[in-house]
Amino acid sequence: ETGVTQSPTHLIKTRGQQVTLRCSSQSGHNTVSWYQQALGQGPQFIFQYYREEENGRGNFPPRFSGLQFPNYSSELNVNALELDDSALYLCASSYGALSSYNEQFFGPGTRLTVL
Amino acid sequence: DAKTTQPPSMDCAEGRAANLPCNHSTISGNEYVYWYRQIHSQGPQYIIHGLKNNETNEMASLIITEDRKSSTLILPHATLRDTAVYYCIVSPEGGKLIFGQGTELSVKP
Repeated sequence: ETGVTQSPTHLIKTRGQQVTLRCSSQSGHNTVSWYQQALGQGPQFIFQYYREEENGRGNFPPRFSGLQFPNYSSELNVNALELDDSALYLCASSYGALSSYNEQFFGPGTRLTVL
Repeated sequence: DAKTTQPPSMDCAEGRAANLPCNHSTISGNEYVYWYRQIHSQGPQYIIHGLKNNETNEMASLIITEDRKSSTLILPHATLRDTAVYYCIVSPEGGKLIFGQGTELSVKP
């Protein structure tokens, strides 16, 4: 148990819809990173939020967006869902931004299926 | 793209040491080597990280070669619960973790 929680655990959507995934970071952590993990692949970095600002982004289109709230919890929003967005979405919390080498604590993930 | 190369799978007998290799020949001077593992249906779990020197904690030991082009993660007494995918990551920017395919370790009784 890392203290990082994600909701919902599973979600089914259809193409073109929008989805919001939520993450509560571990107590004392001010940074949340989001990853997408397709079946059989390693997690891919989407973006990171540090003190409510986006602080680094991977190779994902703008329809992937996020928010971080004053309590450091975070949301991942995906618009115009495509079939290839079906994946496990992981969030990880840590203390410090991209420039610091800190251990990341991962949540259990949200399994998104797009039909 | 991941900057590391790992064997896709390995087996280990329960109670024996598991030695997981990783090549990172293009590592630069300020990059750390991180190891995470992912047990089926769970999020990745941090194991250990290092820069130059060998490191040990309650979970594992990390041996980094002098030229830093490769490393080995050692689980000293593997148990069935150590069955997982193990990821070796070279971190170019600190918190941004670039995962490769990892090594699927099967610990067998």
